[in-house]
Amino acid sequence: GDSVTQMEGPVTLSEEAFLTINCTYTATGYPSLFWYVQYPGEGLQLLLKATKADDKGSNKGFEATYRKETTSFHLEKGSVQVSDSAVYFCALIPYSSASKIIFGSGTRLSIRP
Amino acid sequence: DAMVIQNPRYQVTQFGKPVTLSCSQTLNHNVMYWYQQKSSQAPKLLFHYYDKDFNNEADTPDNFQSRRPNTSFCFLDIRSPGLGDAAMYLCATSRARGQGETYEQYFGPGTRLTVT
Repeated sequence: GDSVTQMEGPVTLSEEAFLTINCTYTATGYPSLFWYVQYPGEGLQLLLKATKADDKGSNKGFEATYRKETTSFHLEKGSVQVSDSAVYFCALIPYSSASKIIFGSGTRLSIRP
Repeated sequence: DAMVIQNPRYQVTQFGKPVTLSCSQTLNHNVMYWYQQKSSQAPKLLFHYYDKDFNNEADTPDNFQSRRPNTSFCFLDIRSPGLGDAAMYLCATSRARGQGETYEQYFGPGTRLTVT
């Protein structure tokens, strides 16, 4: 079945460091791919998305590129801030899904000043 | 701003005492979902409504029920909460999807349920 595997955390970085959180997926056809962010005590917020191969999603300095050949959707940011500390979820919606989203296990990111 | 609203944000109930969580949306989305989330794990889908059609996940306990009286509102009822039901409950919405289309889900802020 369809699945998402993402980098285990926690990940701790210093402010202004470069961030990569790895995400790979298994799915038939052409799923849509997402990154959601969850700040402490809050719901999930859509951070970015990509719906077809080679699409790049971007928002708030974060980027991720839909790589069909490597079945990956890695999240990157060039210079992280303390306010980026949160849990990040990679997710996919299968091409033929009747309203199902499949989440990775989440990666907790902590940024120290 | 269009949004998904959940009330209350924090709910304390006693073991075995029924509790209802509410969700409303101003996005006019056809599909509404309820998730359970424990300890920053991935959210676990309990059920969803496609318009008025109810879709239960196979492993959702019978203790959990839902109502959707209209497009804007959806309720989660826990008939006899146990200690294991303490969690964050997330409501989400999305547009209805046709073949070849994909629509992301929009989440509310969640209700943190404590069972004493």
